Amino acid sequence: AQSVTQPDIHITVSEGASLELRCNYSYGATPYLFWYVQSPGQGLQLLLKYFSGDTLVQGIKGFEAEFKRSQSSFNLRKPSVHWSDAAEYFCAAFTGGGNKLTFGTGTQLKVEL
Amino acid sequence: DGGITQSPKYLFRKEGQNVTLSCEQNLNHDAMYWYRQDPGQGLRLIYYSQIVNDFQKGDIAEGYSVSREKKESFPLTVTSAQKNPTAFYLCASWAGRHQETQYFGPGTRLLVL
Repeated sequence: AQSVTQPDIHITVSEGASLELRCNYSYGATPYLFWYVQSPGQGLQLLLKYFSGDTLVQGIKGFEAEFKRSQSSFNLRKPSVHWSDAAEYFCAAFTGGGNKLTFGTGTQLKVEL
Repeated sequence: DGGITQSPKYLFRKEGQNVTLSCEQNLNHDAMYWYRQDPGQGLRLIYYSQIVNDFQKGDIAEGYSVSREKKESFPLTVTSAQKNPTAFYLCASWAGRHQETQYFGPGTRLLVL
């Protein structure tokens, strides 16, 4: 079955440290891939997206993600985390059937000052 | 500004009661979606609609109903058949172009009294 996996439920990093959130997908072909961020009690905001072409994509708030076909991964990175980055992060894949997004279970990021 | 609005922000349901969550968009998007979010489970698709007067069940449609009489509106009814309705509900819309992603409303939190 097609799926998106985020292996890390919780991650804690110190402010100023680098960050990498993992995402793996399982699809027959390369799907469109997205990262969203959600603050508590809020909707989802798109950070970045990958459709094709350059495998390193830049997003908002200083985030970037790299698509690696050989590893079926789309990991999110940030060189230096700010306290305001504390939130929940979701990886998602677009499946053509019914134009539906499939979401991972999310990674909760905590930033220590 | 274009966007998606959801109301109310908080909703309380009594046992055996049906409640309706509102979702309105002024983005002129054809497709609209309802997701349910529970801690540790990510977002799960309840119903979606790709055009007016048409909608399809998602992965967890039991105990829910929808209508799509207008392009701008996609209300979700949580019926008494839904035995565990406490969750955060998110509405989204999509322009229909594969280069675009879904846009999300701010969500409604449903609690059972």
